[in-house]
Amino acid sequence: ETGVTQTPRHLVMGMTNKKSLKCEQHLGHNAMYWYKQSAKKPLELMFVYNFKEQTENNSVPSRFSPECPNSSHLFLHLHTLQPEDSALYLCASSQNIGQGRAFFGQGTRLTVV
Amino acid sequence: AQKITQTQPGMFVQEKEAVTLDCTYDTSDQSYGLFWYKQPSSGEMIFLIYQGSYDEQNATEGRYSLNFQKARKSANLVISASQLGDSAMYFCAMREVFNNNDMRFGAGTRLTVKP
Repeated sequence: ETGVTQTPRHLVMGMTNKKSLKCEQHLGHNAMYWYKQSAKKPLELMFVYNFKEQTENNSVPSRFSPECPNSSHLFLHLHTLQPEDSALYLCASSQNIGQGRAFFGQGTRLTVV
Repeated sequence: AQKITQTQPGMFVQEKEAVTLDCTYDTSDQSYGLFWYKQPSSGEMIFLIYQGSYDEQNATEGRYSLNFQKARKSANLVISASQLGDSAMYFCAMREVFNNNDMRFGAGTRLTVKP
């Protein structure tokens, strides 16, 4: 039981494709996050949303485009990705920014071919 | 910039024995939280234990305890009575309350429990 659900679990896409990752949380949290986990690298924070407003973009390339229509849903839109973008993309939520622990989804394993 | 260091890329432990996973951190903030997460091969990050910077006692959660040494800026995870299911990646993380609200992670330690 995590309360944070990510779909799809696995995704293979070509460099010219457009796809979206979805994250949904049923915990009543106000903050949501996207992380990227590449092989042999620490988790990298990509985007932070608080009450649907983006509060941080950690120099993420524009080929990654987040969307947060409400506090329960978070999307990551992908287009013209590169093979080095292949990674595990993890969504997380917390009660508020800076408060409480983060609850993570199971991640989307993305492979760019 | 805050920094989390886990110096042990991999650790082995015999089943039923205790193991300590190291974590040191760097921050100029006085208010921060320290977290440990477990990541099995399925990919999900599972919360294990939390220590606040002002907590005077070391945190404990079942078989997990956090050896918090504030002056040394270390927050080592101790797992007692290791089980085969403990084999996973373990990540230390920190969140500064005022300077930076984002949770930052170390590189992780892969723990393997041997039968």
